[in-house]
Amino acid sequence: EAGVTQFPSHSVIEKGQTVTLRCDPISGHDNLYWYRRVMGKEIKFLLHFVKESKQDESGMPNNRFLAERTGGTYSTLKVQPAELEDSGVYFCASSPLMGASSTDTQYFGPGTRLTVL
Amino acid sequence: LAKTTQPISMDSYEGQEVNITCSHNNIATNDYITWYQQFPSQGPRFIIQGYKTKVTNEVASLFIPADRKSSTLSLPRVSLSDTAVYYCLVGAVYNQGGKLIFGQGTELSVKP
Repeated sequence: EAGVTQFPSHSVIEKGQTVTLRCDPISGHDNLYWYRRVMGKEIKFLLHFVKESKQDESGMPNNRFLAERTGGTYSTLKVQPAELEDSGVYFCASSPLMGASSTDTQYFGPGTRLTVL
Repeated sequence: LAKTTQPISMDSYEGQEVNITCSHNNIATNDYITWYQQFPSQGPRFIIQGYKTKVTNEVASLFIPADRKSSTLSLPRVSLSDTAVYYCLVGAVYNQGGKLIFGQGTELSVKP
């Protein structure tokens, strides 16, 4: 079974440019999450999709960030315009919808390292 | 979600047993304790989860005392490949999916 994949693995852009990150969850996983770690900080939650709906977007830092999950499959995270403080590693994770008797393990992708110059 | 405290770093040698303790004094009744492992240039990976007493799987053991205010991840006979950051997370499980709250984690360095 293929794991969570993310594209690109690295992205270097200049301040003010736009970048779009993509996440392909494990097939059949309805939950999809975005997290990020900026330099020296802890991994922070950004938002959570259940299928194509945003369940929780409380971690999105500002309106320069736009996440979509059309069709409930892959997701994109667009940063427009990018700022220096957006540099960091962006992780995507997915998990299946589970019943009350199951644990809620999240499966993470390898991350996209974003550098804004 | 309960806040967790764990050592920033630990050193060990190959073949030793490593115990990483996490404090979570404000754990709620319905909170579970979960540990994730993260290798460089990879995303976190689930290791083990428990509610009370002891849980063991093929990778590690998790010891949780009766008051549940702390937990200890035990890695038997570590090897160089166990060098990673280990995160202790506390939160409710049966909520149909929800955000994970990561702390700083413990950076384990295994030496030959």
